Amino acid sequence: AQTVTQSQPEMSVQEAETVTLSCTYDTSESDYYLFWYKQPPSRQMILVIRQEAYKQQNATENRFSVNFQKAAKSFSLKISDSQLGDAAMYFCAYRRDMNYGGSQGNLIFGKGTKLSVKP
Amino acid sequence: NAGVTQTPKFRILKIGQSMTLQCTQDMNHNYMYWYRQDPGMGLKLIYYSVGAGITDKGEVPNGYNVSRSTTEDFPLRLELAAPSQTSVYFCASTTNSPLHFGNGTRLTVT
Repeated sequence: AQTVTQSQPEMSVQEAETVTLSCTYDTSESDYYLFWYKQPPSRQMILVIRQEAYKQQNATENRFSVNFQKAAKSFSLKISDSQLGDAAMYFCAYRRDMNYGGSQGNLIFGKGTKLSVKP
Repeated sequence: NAGVTQTPKFRILKIGQSMTLQCTQDMNHNYMYWYRQDPGMGLKLIYYSVGAGITDKGEVPNGYNVSRSTTEDFPLRLELAAPSQTSVYFCASTTNSPLHFGNGTRLTVT
């Protein structure tokens, strides 16, 4: 079974600085997707960024980028120029490729990292 | 385009009561899911459905039931509420894309 581990329960960053959130996962599959979701106090689940395992290039979305190390099964999220609005819980999630037979398409989540941003 | 809509947003139940959490999506997604989120934890899958008339258990199905009579609706039923079911519940849907989540239901069982 696949598992996702986020080893940092809490992180803190100064406004305008850079922070990296860690995520490791365990799978025997070669085709899959990885995601970072943001959950602010409103408890909405907001997609931050996604990475397809077959792509070697790291995904980037504005101030958010990932460091995807497939062999090491590592998927960290870097937030540059941190803003007060970035304060939230961040969840790393894994999903099998839905083209696999029997794939339900559901996400497997880590326990989350609570990010605080100091003004 | 409303996306995934969950009702109610909040609910307090007494032990032994029953209720149904409603979820509807207007994106014609085949796949739908119910997750629960306990404090300090990630989301865990309760039940899922790959299409109308097809449902299956996830990681934590005990105490819950679901049905999927239409593509749009995927209600979650709690028959005999227990304090262990105090949680935030999320419904989500997808085709072959990132999951779209509802805004969640906070349920307290006392």
